[in-house]
Amino acid sequence: DIQMTQSPSTLSASVGDRVTITCRASQSISSSLAWYQQKPGRAPKLLISRASSLESGVPSRFSGSGSGTEFTLTISSLQPDDFATYYCQQYNSYYSFGQGTKLEIK
Amino acid sequence: EVQLVESGGGLIQPGGSLRLSCTVSGFSVSGNYLTWVRQAPGKGLEWVSVIYSGGSTYYADSVMGRFTISRDNSKNTVYLQMNSLRGEDTAVYYCARDRVGWGSGGPIDPWGQGTLVTVSS
Repeated sequence: DIQMTQSPSTLSASVGDRVTITCRASQSISSSLAWYQQKPGRAPKLLISRASSLESGVPSRFSGSGSGTEFTLTISSLQPDDFATYYCQQYNSYYSFGQGTKLEIK
Repeated sequence: EVQLVESGGGLIQPGGSLRLSCTVSGFSVSGNYLTWVRQAPGKGLEWVSVIYSGGSTYYADSVMGRFTISRDNSKNTVYLQMNSLRGEDTAVYYCARDRVGWGSGGPIDPWGQGTLVTVSS
């Protein structure tokens, strides 16, 4: 099984900040990685697929990078709507998720 | 419009059984990969099971031998039969479609709204 590890678990930031979340896979997954945003009581929303492809309608302040075992999600300038929990997910071998990163208002 | 609607959740005693349903519209269950993902209260996302378009099924180790995924093409519905339920199975269960639907699969999108399963005496 492929294990996904995100860091940090919690991130405190302010509106306008640039933030980065890291996701590591226990073995190479090429670019088979997605990022999701989840708000309380809601289903996850797909933000990025294939490590760096932004989904239609997702603001350009979101970006993803990486391949192999190391990936990052960057939000260039935090907006109030961005405070949520973010998950990475691999789909190279079945599916597995990172434990999540809760982005909080500082 | 592509839509997935889960049903069948509820309160069940430990050791009991429950069957969840996921009725889809806007696409066929037979031609897609359909997955179940769960989220325990206050916890992260955990992949549970997938049924491929060809009918192959796969499970997370935590539910292997207790849960069974299946589909009824005529009803455009996917099921998750859950047996020998435990307290740690308490979660919101989401049904979702694999975006790619071939090979090893792809990102999961869209998702249903989820159905809550509570295992407690």
